[in-house]
Amino acid sequence: DVKVTQSSRYLVKRTGEKVFLECVQDMDHENMFWYRQDPGLGLRLIYFSYDVKMKEKGDIPEGYSVSREKKERFSLILESASTNQTSMYLCASSLGDGTYGYTFGSGTRLTVV
Amino acid sequence: QKEVEQDPGPLSVPEGAIVSLNCTYSNSAFQYFMWYRQYSRKGPELLMYTYSSGNKEDGRFTAQVDKSSKYISLFIRDSQPSDSATYLCAMSLSGGSYIPTFGRGTSLIVHP
Repeated sequence: DVKVTQSSRYLVKRTGEKVFLECVQDMDHENMFWYRQDPGLGLRLIYFSYDVKMKEKGDIPEGYSVSREKKERFSLILESASTNQTSMYLCASSLGDGTYGYTFGSGTRLTVV
Repeated sequence: QKEVEQDPGPLSVPEGAIVSLNCTYSNSAFQYFMWYRQYSRKGPELLMYTYSSGNKEDGRFTAQVDKSSKYISLFIRDSQPSDSATYLCAMSLSGGSYIPTFGRGTSLIVHP
């Protein structure tokens, strides 16, 4: 089974801090994604990557950046955390054209105080 | 109009009931249809995957796609309390597009 591992389940950070969320997948998937999930808003795509060192903006990239130095690892960076970035963050990966669906991680619940 | 519409619920049913979860969509170019199940405080997991129209069955779960009506359904037979979760539909285009469009999810509660 493909496994997508997110480094933290729960995080509490202060406003203005730089925050790193790490995601690792173990099945050689080409594509990796970062979503945030908020009640009533569903899943919103922040950034995605279809290859090492490649990145593409999703629907809500403002305030975030990403890094993909190795195929298996995709990091989400909050440059200066704000309270409106309090959310559940989900990492996902998929094969090639993604037509066989995503494998999601368990999520990181981030609270910015 | 949102590209994918899904009633958020909650849908509350007694154990043993047949559950019907539905999504409508507006883009007739969607070819791949998926259902994800998400337990509380967990990530979504892929439950069913269908290409184009028709039915697909897996145990107690049946996924149905009606492209002419732009309507997809997930049926759960003999529902169990362990089926209580949020169910998200997702769909994507053919031809190598790997970003699916998700519904917002329907919360299902199966009570004993």
